[in-house]
Amino acid sequence: KAGVTQTPRYLIKTRGQQVTLSCSPISGHRSVSWYQQTPGQGLQFLFEYFSETQRNKGNFPGRFSGRQFSNSRSEMNVSTLELGDSALYLCASSLTPLGFQYFGPGTRLLVL
Amino acid sequence: QKEVEQDPGPLSVPEGAIVSLNCTYSNSAFQYFMWYRQYSRKGPELLMYTYSSGNKEDGRFTAQVDKSSKYISLFIRDSQPSDSATYLCAMSPRDINAGGTSYGKLTFGQGTILTVHP
Repeated sequence: KAGVTQTPRYLIKTRGQQVTLSCSPISGHRSVSWYQQTPGQGLQFLFEYFSETQRNKGNFPGRFSGRQFSNSRSEMNVSTLELGDSALYLCASSLTPLGFQYFGPGTRLLVL
Repeated sequence: QKEVEQDPGPLSVPEGAIVSLNCTYSNSAFQYFMWYRQYSRKGPELLMYTYSSGNKEDGRFTAQVDKSSKYISLFIRDSQPSDSATYLCAMSPRDINAGGTSYGKLTFGQGTILTVHP
C-alpha cells in the first residue's frame, strides 16, 4: 500500500507570496492532520480534517488554512508568507481521527 | 513551559549500547503515548505506542510509561548504526480505542538526535 505523499517536496518563495501544499493520504484513510516542524519549535500541530471538515486547529495565525476534498486529499495554504514560515510541513493520515497517524515525507518550504 | 519536554541531545553511543530516551509532560489528560523515529530528510515513522501506564516491548525496543511521575521512556537494546535518527515522543489526550469525539492532535517533544557509531 502506498504511503502518504506530499507535493511539492521542496519550495522556495519570497516574503508576501502565498503557497499551497498538497497531501494525498494512504488509501482508505479519511483523516488528515498537518504539522509544522522547525529546529526551534519542533513539531507543532496545525489542523486536522476528517470528512472534509476541520475538526481541530492549533495555535497558528489565520494566514494558515486548509481544506480536505471528498477523496480525502488535503491542501494547506499559507498566505502573506513570512521568513518565520520556513519549515518542514508534514502531513499525516489515519484511518479515523482516533487512529494512529502515519506521516508523509514533508514539504520543505524556504521563504526568502 | 512546554507541555512535553524532551532532551534534544545530541546523544552519541557505541554500537551495542543500551540507549535510554526520555520525555516528561505536564498535561494529566494525556493517555496515549507514542514514539516516532525520523531519519534525515524523511517524515516521522511510528515506532511504538503505549496506552496509560505500563511497559511494552517490541524486539529491541521497550517503551515505558509512568503516569504518576508524568514520565515516559524508550529503551533501545543492542543499538545499531541504523538506529541513528531523531526520536520524537508524542502524546494524545484521547484513548484511541474509545469512541466519542475525535481528537487527532498529537503533542510532540522536541526530539532527541541519536547517533550510534560502529
